[in-house]
Amino acid sequence: DVKVTQSSRYLVKRTGEKVFLECVQDMDHENMFWYRQDPGLGLRLIYFSYDVKMKEKGDIPEGYSVSREKKERFSLILESASTNQTSMYLCASSLSVDNEKLFFGSGTQLSVL
Amino acid sequence: QKEVEQDPGPLSVPEGAIVSLNCTYSNSAFQYFMWYRQYSRKGPELLMYTYSSGNKEDGRFTAQVDKSSKYISLFIRDSQPSDSATYLCAMSTGSQGNLIFGKGTKLSVKP
Repeated sequence: DVKVTQSSRYLVKRTGEKVFLECVQDMDHENMFWYRQDPGLGLRLIYFSYDVKMKEKGDIPEGYSVSREKKERFSLILESASTNQTSMYLCASSLSVDNEKLFFGSGTQLSVL
Repeated sequence: QKEVEQDPGPLSVPEGAIVSLNCTYSNSAFQYFMWYRQYSRKGPELLMYTYSSGNKEDGRFTAQVDKSSKYISLFIRDSQPSDSATYLCAMSTGSQGNLIFGKGTKLSVKP
């Protein structure tokens, strides 16, 4: 079974803090994704990556950056957290460029106070 | 018009009922259609995957795609309390990074 592991289930941070969300997958998948999920807005793509050191902006990249130094690890960075970034963050991976099946982690519920 | 429309519910049914969940879409270029199930405080998990039109069956679950009507459905037969979750439709043209999700329908199956 594919396992996508997110480092924290719950995080509480203060406005202005730099926040790192870590995600690791164990199935040698090429693609990795970061989404946020908000009530009434559904899943929205923040960033994705096709390969190591590659990144592409999704629909809502503002206020976020990412890092993919190793194939199995994809980090989401909030440079200066704001209250409107309070959300459920979901990491996902997929096997390859032409494979649409996403495998999700359990999510990180981030609260920015 | 939004690209993918999905009724958020909530939908409440008695155990054993047949459940029908639906999504409509506007982009005729969508070719890959998926249903994800998301339990409370968990990430979504892939339930059904269909390419182009037609039906696909897996146990109590049947996915249908009608590209002419731009309409997809998920049917759950003999629904169980363990089916209580939010169901998300998702679709793609095949270009990476272009998976579009519906907002999800919350289903509750009462014993």
